[in-house]
Amino acid sequence: TQLLEQSPQFLSIQEGENLTVYCNSSSVFSSLQWYRQEPGEGPVLLVTVVTGGEVKKLKRLTFQFGDARKDSSLHITAAQPGDTGLYLCAGDRNSGYALNFGKGTSLLVTP
Amino acid sequence: DTAVSQTPKYLVTQMGNDKSIKCEQNLGHDTMYWYKQDSKKFLKIMFSYNNKELIINETVPNRFSPKSPDKAHLNLHINSLELGDSAVYFCASSQDSSGGSETQYFGPGTRLLVL
Repeated sequence: TQLLEQSPQFLSIQEGENLTVYCNSSSVFSSLQWYRQEPGEGPVLLVTVVTGGEVKKLKRLTFQFGDARKDSSLHITAAQPGDTGLYLCAGDRNSGYALNFGKGTSLLVTP
Repeated sequence: DTAVSQTPKYLVTQMGNDKSIKCEQNLGHDTMYWYKQDSKKFLKIMFSYNNKELIINETVPNRFSPKSPDKAHLNLHINSLELGDSAVYFCASSQDSSGGSETQYFGPGTRLLVL
């Protein structure tokens, strides 16, 4: 059973466009993380959201945690080629040391 | 200095062989993990160790055996390799915590191809 559903699975856009990636679940998470993975590398943490309704900004990236702590979104403003990568959401259900990962959104930003 | 390192980076082997992947972290973390990422990029937890003790053992064939000689190392030994074991295996570590809200630091991955 896939706990976290990410959409879209693939996204190809032009430099300068805006985009939103979604991470949805029917389960409640105590926290949710977003990672970015570049080809040939391991995932790198971008942000952790903990409080329902929380919004965090990281330069052109805006992360939101749903009020019910079941979903999250990542919005990128004015995407750049350097944003290209696999974006993974991961949730903690207080199960102890385990993160449940979504299947990822593969983003390609072309100049 | 690399925070989480894995060796080898690439591993090509025949079905039925036994192989090991090594992982070391120099972050002083208490918790280490092994994840498997399949061809569709799905990342799934396999094992988690906290202070050398097994905490999580997901539904993984018993051909996979993790070993933690000390809290800075978590190795993965795989017996009787099968075609379906082909994947990228990631080691990760985090500071001891009560859950997954801690940052997990991933290694560069080991690309295993079973022929």
